[in-house]
Amino acid sequence: DIQMTQSPSTLSASVGDRVTITCRASQSITGWLAWYQQKPGKAPKLLIYKASSLESGVPSRFSGSGSGTEFTLTISSLQPDDFATYYCQQYNSYPYTFGQGTKLEIK
Amino acid sequence: EVQLVESGGGLVQSGGSLRLSCAVSGFTVSSNYMSWVRQAPGKGLEWVSVIYSGGSTSYADSVKGRFTISRHNSKNTLYLQMNSLRAEDTAVYYCATIRDAYNSVFDYWGQGTLVTVSS
Repeated sequence: DIQMTQSPSTLSASVGDRVTITCRASQSITGWLAWYQQKPGKAPKLLIYKASSLESGVPSRFSGSGSGTEFTLTISSLQPDDFATYYCQQYNSYPYTFGQGTKLEIK
Repeated sequence: EVQLVESGGGLVQSGGSLRLSCAVSGFTVSSNYMSWVRQAPGKGLEWVSVIYSGGSTSYADSVKGRFTISRHNSKNTLYLQMNSLRAEDTAVYYCATIRDAYNSVFDYWGQGTLVTVSS
């Protein structure tokens, strides 16, 4: 199975900050990576697919990059609605696997 | 508008069985890929199973041989039959649509249904 490792596990930031979350795969997944946002008690929401493609309706302050084994999710200017947990997910091969999550907290 | 509504969760004893349902609207279950993803309390996401448009299926090793994914085409509903349940199966179970065979991301999700397995 492909292991996905996110860092950091927790990130404290302020409104207006630029933040970056990293996701590393245990083997190359080319660009088959997605990012999701999850708020407490809610289902995950797709933000980014194919490493850098922005899902329809997702604000442009979210962006993704990377290929192979290293990927990043960047939020250019944090908004109050962005404080949530973020997961990366590889869909290069089954079993599809997720990172352990990064909780973005208000500083 | 695509909507997914799960039901069937609840409290069950270890070794017991439960069937989850996911009623879908705005999306044809039989023509697309559908999946179950679970999340143990306070933990991350774990892919559980997928059913392809052709009817073939795949499972995570943790549930293989115990869980069965299926669908009812005329009811446009997805199911997950869970047998021989264990405490570690306790989780919120989400059904999710998969965009397509090329971009196999989970693009629509239900609200989730909680399964609690007591030991």
